[in-house]
Amino acid sequence: GQQVMQIPQYQHVQEGEDFTTYCNSSTTLSNIQWYKQRPGGHPVFLIQLVKSGEVKKQKRLTFQFGEAKKNSSLHITATQTTDVGTYFCAGNYKLSFGAGTTVTVRA
Amino acid sequence: KAGVTQTPRYLIKTRGQQVTLSCSPISGHRSVSWYQQTPGQGLQFLFEYFSETQRNKGNFPGRFSGRQFSNSRSEMNVSTLELGDSALYLCASSAGQQNEQFFGPGTRLTVL
Repeated sequence: GQQVMQIPQYQHVQEGEDFTTYCNSSTTLSNIQWYKQRPGGHPVFLIQLVKSGEVKKQKRLTFQFGEAKKNSSLHITATQTTDVGTYFCAGNYKLSFGAGTTVTVRA
Repeated sequence: KAGVTQTPRYLIKTRGQQVTLSCSPISGHRSVSWYQQTPGQGLQFLFEYFSETQRNKGNFPGRFSGRQFSNSRSEMNVSTLELGDSALYLCASSAGQQNEQFFGPGTRLTVL
Protein backbone atom coordinates (compact mmCIF):
# COMPACT_ATOMS: atom_id res chain seq x y z
CA GLY A 1 0.00 0.00 0.00
CA GLN A 2 0.89 3.65 -0.08
CA GLN A 3 3.62 4.64 2.36
CA VAL A 4 3.83 8.25 1.29
CA MET A 5 1.15 10.76 2.20
CA GLN A 6 0.64 14.06 0.45
CA ILE A 7 -1.16 17.11 1.76
CA PRO A 8 -3.23 18.91 0.81
CA GLN A 9 -5.14 16.76 -1.65
CA TYR A 10 -6.47 19.88 -3.39
CA GLN A 11 -5.03 23.37 -3.56
CA HIS A 12 -6.94 26.29 -5.02
CA VAL A 13 -4.61 29.22 -5.56
CA GLN A 14 -5.09 32.80 -6.69
CA GLU A 15 -2.81 33.63 -9.59
CA GLY A 16 0.29 35.33 -8.28
CA GLU A 17 0.14 33.77 -4.83
CA ASP A 18 2.51 31.20 -3.36
CA PHE A 19 1.66 27.73 -2.09
CA THR A 20 3.34 24.65 -0.68
CA THR A 21 2.54 20.97 -0.95
CA TYR A 22 3.95 18.42 1.48
CA CYS A 23 4.97 14.81 1.26
CA ASN A 24 5.32 12.71 4.42
CA SER A 25 6.52 9.19 5.04
CA SER A 26 6.41 7.05 8.17
CA THR A 27 9.72 5.48 7.22
CA THR A 28 13.05 6.92 6.12
CA LEU A 29 13.26 7.33 2.37
CA SER A 30 16.33 6.75 0.26
CA ASN A 31 15.21 9.49 -2.10
CA ILE A 32 12.25 11.58 -3.26
CA GLN A 33 11.18 12.24 -6.82
CA TRP A 34 8.58 14.84 -7.82
CA TYR A 35 6.36 14.61 -10.89
CA LYS A 36 3.74 16.86 -12.45
CA GLN A 37 0.72 15.59 -14.35
CA ARG A 38 -1.29 18.05 -16.40
CA PRO A 39 -5.03 17.36 -16.84
CA GLY A 40 -5.42 14.58 -19.39
CA GLY A 41 -1.69 13.99 -19.53
CA HIS A 42 0.85 11.67 -18.00
CA PRO A 43 3.29 12.32 -15.13
CA VAL A 44 6.42 14.23 -16.07
CA PHE A 45 9.56 14.09 -13.96
CA LEU A 46 10.48 17.33 -12.21
CA ILE A 47 13.34 16.55 -9.85
CA GLN A 48 15.03 14.04 -7.57
CA LEU A 49 16.35 14.72 -4.05
CA VAL A 50 18.73 12.31 -2.37
CA LYS A 51 20.63 14.04 0.42
CA SER A 52 19.31 14.92 3.86
CA GLY A 53 18.28 18.60 3.98
CA GLU A 54 18.77 19.01 0.23
CA VAL A 55 17.17 22.03 -1.44
CA LYS A 56 16.85 22.43 -5.19
CA LYS A 57 15.28 25.21 -7.22
CA GLN A 58 13.77 25.26 -10.67
CA LYS A 59 12.73 28.81 -11.53
CA ARG A 60 9.66 29.43 -9.33
CA LEU A 61 9.70 25.91 -7.83
CA THR A 62 11.66 25.07 -4.69
CA PHE A 63 12.02 21.46 -3.56
CA GLN A 64 13.22 20.43 -0.13
CA PHE A 65 14.09 17.08 1.45
CA GLY A 66 13.79 16.91 5.22
CA GLU A 67 16.73 16.36 7.54
CA ALA A 68 15.34 12.99 8.66
CA LYS A 69 14.55 12.05 5.04
CA LYS A 70 10.95 11.38 5.98
CA ASN A 71 9.34 14.41 4.40
CA SER A 72 9.63 16.71 1.45
CA SER A 73 8.00 19.86 0.20
CA LEU A 74 7.39 21.67 -3.05
CA HIS A 75 6.94 25.43 -2.86
CA ILE A 76 5.73 27.41 -5.86
CA THR A 77 6.00 31.18 -5.87
CA ALA A 78 3.91 33.59 -7.94
CA THR A 79 1.59 30.86 -9.20
CA GLN A 80 0.71 30.97 -12.88
CA THR A 81 -2.03 29.23 -14.87
CA THR A 82 0.65 26.96 -16.32
CA ASP A 83 1.12 25.49 -12.84
CA VAL A 84 -2.28 23.77 -13.02
CA GLY A 85 -2.04 20.01 -12.59
CA THR A 86 -1.41 17.29 -10.06
CA TYR A 87 1.94 17.13 -8.30
CA PHE A 88 3.11 13.74 -7.10
CA CYS A 89 5.97 12.79 -4.88
CA ALA A 90 7.48 9.32 -5.10
CA GLY A 91 9.69 7.77 -2.48
CA ASN A 92 12.34 5.09 -2.64
CA TYR A 93 13.07 5.27 -6.31
CA LYS A 94 9.46 5.37 -7.51
CA LEU A 95 8.02 2.48 -5.55
CA SER A 96 5.78 4.60 -3.33
CA PHE A 97 3.79 7.38 -4.93
CA GLY A 98 1.74 9.85 -2.94
CA ALA A 99 -1.89 10.42 -3.94
CA GLY A 100 -0.94 13.82 -5.32
CA THR A 101 -1.92 17.43 -4.78
CA THR A 102 -4.24 18.76 -7.47
CA VAL A 103 -3.71 22.45 -8.09
CA THR A 104 -6.20 24.81 -9.68
CA VAL A 105 -5.49 28.48 -10.30
CA ARG A 106 -7.93 31.38 -10.17
CA ALA A 107 -7.01 34.04 -12.69
CA LYS B 1 14.47 9.91 -29.26
CA ALA B 2 10.96 8.58 -29.44
CA GLY B 3 9.09 8.57 -26.15
CA VAL B 4 7.45 5.71 -24.33
CA THR B 5 4.61 4.22 -26.32
CA GLN B 6 1.70 2.19 -25.03
CA THR B 7 -0.88 0.18 -26.93
CA PRO B 8 -3.75 0.14 -27.06
CA ARG B 9 -4.69 3.58 -25.79
CA TYR B 10 -8.25 2.58 -24.95
CA LEU B 11 -9.79 -0.77 -24.15
CA ILE B 12 -13.23 -1.95 -23.11
CA LYS B 13 -13.64 -5.42 -21.64
CA THR B 14 -16.24 -7.29 -19.65
CA ARG B 15 -15.87 -8.95 -16.29
CA GLY B 16 -14.09 -12.28 -16.39
CA GLN B 17 -12.13 -11.53 -19.54
CA GLN B 18 -8.40 -11.06 -19.67
CA VAL B 19 -6.36 -8.28 -21.22
CA THR B 20 -2.79 -7.69 -22.37
CA LEU B 21 -1.27 -4.23 -22.49
CA SER B 22 1.96 -3.38 -24.25
CA CYS B 23 4.71 -0.87 -23.54
CA SER B 24 7.71 0.10 -25.64
CA PRO B 25 10.31 2.00 -23.62
CA ILE B 26 12.64 4.72 -24.78
CA SER B 27 15.49 3.27 -26.79
CA GLY B 28 18.31 2.23 -24.47
CA HIS B 29 16.17 2.11 -21.34
CA ARG B 30 16.24 -1.26 -19.65
CA SER B 31 13.93 -0.58 -16.72
CA VAL B 32 10.16 -0.64 -17.24
CA SER B 33 7.65 -0.04 -14.47
CA TRP B 34 3.88 -0.34 -14.50
CA TYR B 35 1.39 1.70 -12.48
CA GLN B 36 -2.34 1.73 -12.00
CA GLN B 37 -3.91 5.16 -11.68
CA THR B 38 -7.41 5.68 -10.33
CA PRO B 39 -9.00 8.97 -9.19
CA GLY B 40 -9.08 8.09 -5.52
CA GLN B 41 -5.87 6.08 -5.19
CA GLY B 42 -3.32 8.00 -7.18
CA LEU B 43 -0.53 5.95 -8.74
CA GLN B 44 -0.17 2.43 -7.42
CA PHE B 45 3.03 0.59 -8.29
CA LEU B 46 2.43 -2.76 -9.97
CA PHE B 47 5.86 -4.09 -10.87
CA GLU B 48 9.22 -3.25 -12.36
CA TYR B 49 11.26 -5.19 -14.89
CA PHE B 50 14.91 -4.82 -15.64
CA SER B 51 16.71 -6.89 -18.26
CA GLU B 52 13.79 -9.32 -18.49
CA THR B 53 13.69 -9.92 -14.72
CA GLN B 54 11.02 -8.72 -12.34
CA ARG B 55 12.91 -6.63 -9.83
CA ASN B 56 10.12 -5.24 -7.67
CA LYS B 57 6.45 -6.00 -7.18
CA GLY B 58 3.65 -4.00 -5.62
CA ASN B 59 0.70 -5.23 -3.59
CA PHE B 60 -1.55 -6.50 -6.33
CA PRO B 61 -3.19 -9.92 -6.66
CA GLY B 62 -1.71 -12.63 -8.84
CA ARG B 63 -4.22 -11.78 -11.57
CA PHE B 64 -1.80 -9.02 -12.51
CA SER B 65 1.33 -10.27 -14.21
CA GLY B 66 3.93 -8.97 -16.57
CA ARG B 67 6.98 -9.78 -18.53
CA GLN B 68 9.78 -8.08 -20.40
CA PHE B 69 11.35 -9.14 -23.64
CA SER B 70 14.97 -9.02 -24.73
CA ASN B 71 14.35 -5.74 -26.57
CA SER B 72 13.06 -4.24 -23.28
CA ARG B 73 9.48 -4.07 -24.49
CA SER B 74 7.10 -5.09 -21.75
CA GLU B 75 3.62 -6.51 -21.50
CA MET B 76 1.18 -6.53 -18.63
CA ASN B 77 -1.60 -9.06 -18.34
CA VAL B 78 -4.69 -8.95 -16.17
CA SER B 79 -6.77 -12.10 -15.98
CA THR B 80 -10.35 -12.56 -14.75
CA LEU B 81 -11.10 -8.86 -14.97
CA GLU B 82 -13.13 -7.19 -12.23
CA LEU B 83 -15.03 -3.91 -12.32
CA GLY B 84 -12.46 -2.42 -9.96
CA ASP B 85 -9.71 -2.98 -12.51
CA SER B 86 -11.03 -0.05 -14.53
CA ALA B 87 -8.20 2.45 -14.48
CA LEU B 88 -5.48 4.18 -16.42
CA TYR B 89 -2.47 1.88 -16.69
CA LEU B 90 0.78 3.75 -17.06
CA CYS B 91 4.11 2.41 -18.13
CA ALA B 92 7.35 4.22 -17.37
CA SER B 93 10.88 3.57 -18.52
CA SER B 94 14.21 4.63 -17.11
CA ALA B 95 17.85 3.99 -17.77
CA GLY B 96 18.22 2.45 -14.33
CA GLN B 97 16.38 2.07 -11.05
CA GLN B 98 17.74 5.31 -9.62
CA ASN B 99 17.07 7.44 -12.66
CA GLU B 100 14.15 9.63 -13.61
CA GLN B 101 11.21 7.89 -15.19
CA PHE B 102 9.57 8.76 -18.48
CA PHE B 103 5.92 7.89 -18.62
CA GLY B 104 3.89 6.77 -21.59
CA PRO B 105 0.43 8.16 -22.38
CA GLY B 106 -1.25 5.20 -20.67
CA THR B 107 -3.93 2.68 -21.58
CA ARG B 108 -7.42 3.51 -20.38
CA LEU B 109 -9.09 0.22 -19.43
CA THR B 110 -12.82 0.09 -18.81
CA VAL B 111 -14.34 -3.09 -17.41
CA LEU B 112 -18.10 -3.46 -17.85
